[in-house]
Amino acid sequence: QKEVEQDPGPLSVPEGAIVSLNCTYSNSAFQYFMWYRQYSRKGPELLMYTYSSGNKEDGRFTAQVDKSSKYISLFIRDSQPSDSATYLCAMMKEQLTFGSGTQLTVLP
Amino acid sequence: GAVVSQHPSWVICKSGTSVKIECRSLDFQATTMFWYRQFPKQSLMLMATSNEGSKATYEQGVEKDKFLINHASLTLSTLTVTSAHPEDSSFYICSARGTGDNEKLFFGSGTQLSVL
Repeated sequence: QKEVEQDPGPLSVPEGAIVSLNCTYSNSAFQYFMWYRQYSRKGPELLMYTYSSGNKEDGRFTAQVDKSSKYISLFIRDSQPSDSATYLCAMMKEQLTFGSGTQLTVLP
Repeated sequence: GAVVSQHPSWVICKSGTSVKIECRSLDFQATTMFWYRQFPKQSLMLMATSNEGSKATYEQGVEKDKFLINHASLTLSTLTVTSAHPEDSSFYICSARGTGDNEKLFFGSGTQLSVL
């Protein structure tokens, strides 16, 4: 079993939809939880960073962490075509462990 | 946010040659830098971790004599792919972690290596 599981998609939604991206993990030692966005042939860009259970909101993005269920989510409201990218969840103890990434396409 | 610069962004080389990739933290001091490899439609795979002034720690299965890492200063790490072969063709990404507000991990823009 992988330490971090993420549905690879692909996921296609119409513009304006709410997008829900999810990851589960098995290692309770993970302390920090991150979401990265990666465009094709580019390095990952940090979107959200949390270290506790609960919700964290930044503009159209909301990150949710449930440590008891070992489950994290990223919600994108009012999705835009420019949000089309691969979204990677990542978790850290000493090193960063990535999910496999979910490819998202927002259709105009 | 903090900026990590990675060069070159694209390199094509002949089999048997060596290629050097640079990773610089532009506005913070990076105590630790990481090198990743990413194949198409796959996630990032950690290759090695380097701390300034000390030898890099390589992940299992990564040949340290083939992928030479030098972290000579707090703002620069280099990855040299020695005697590159077509199977080394991949997308290589560096990341850097500082201290304090820069303790998060920031990524370079990546280097696409194509070995002919």
